[in-house]
Amino acid sequence: DAGVIQSPRHEVTEMGQEVTLRCKPISGHNSLFWYRQTMMRGLELLIYFNNNVPIDDSGMPEDRFSAKMPNASFSTLKIQPSEPRDSAVYFCASNIDPNSYEQYFGPGTRLTVT
Amino acid sequence: KQEVTQIPAALSVPEGENLVLNCSFTDSAIYNLQWFRQDPGKGLTSLLLIQSSQREQTSGRLNASLDKSSGRSTLYIAASQPGDSATYLCAVDQGGSEKLVFGKGTKLTVNP
Repeated sequence: DAGVIQSPRHEVTEMGQEVTLRCKPISGHNSLFWYRQTMMRGLELLIYFNNNVPIDDSGMPEDRFSAKMPNASFSTLKIQPSEPRDSAVYFCASNIDPNSYEQYFGPGTRLTVT
Repeated sequence: KQEVTQIPAALSVPEGENLVLNCSFTDSAIYNLQWFRQDPGKGLTSLLLIQSSQREQTSGRLNASLDKSSGRSTLYIAASQPGDSATYLCAVDQGGSEKLVFGKGTKLTVNP
């Protein structure tokens, strides 16, 4: 298996622009997670889905952030409009068994908003 | 609210030394604790997962222990090698859900 796939790997955009990050989880995994990592705050969970349904979005910082999972093999995280403080590395992760909780991470998308 | 702390934030050791990384958490009502490795510019790789009913897990030169009652876990690395240089993060689930709460990590440097 190719593992969790994220695109793009790097994104540089100007403040006010819309940004869309993409994730393909490992085939057969039931849960998908979006994280954000910064030096100041470390790794924070933004939202997670189980069987394509959002379960907990309490980590989403504000209404500018939205996430969707239209099917079991694809998810997006959208920021509109983007701001410089959104600059971070965004990770997607998936797991197969909600009882084991062992999560597998993608390589991340490094977002820079100027 | 679960909080996870890792001390020290950075550690530098000579090659061959045995070392221990520490992780503490404030809420002992966890189901699992997971140790990850993160290389610069890369994602996280799962090293060991300890379920709450277990006391430790081993994989090669790595051994992780869990003491739920005291809210502590340690990751022991035997005979360290330069290739072990990375940031090590621990994470616990929050209230038995799938949500993981991460520490900020310990950056390990093993000098040849």
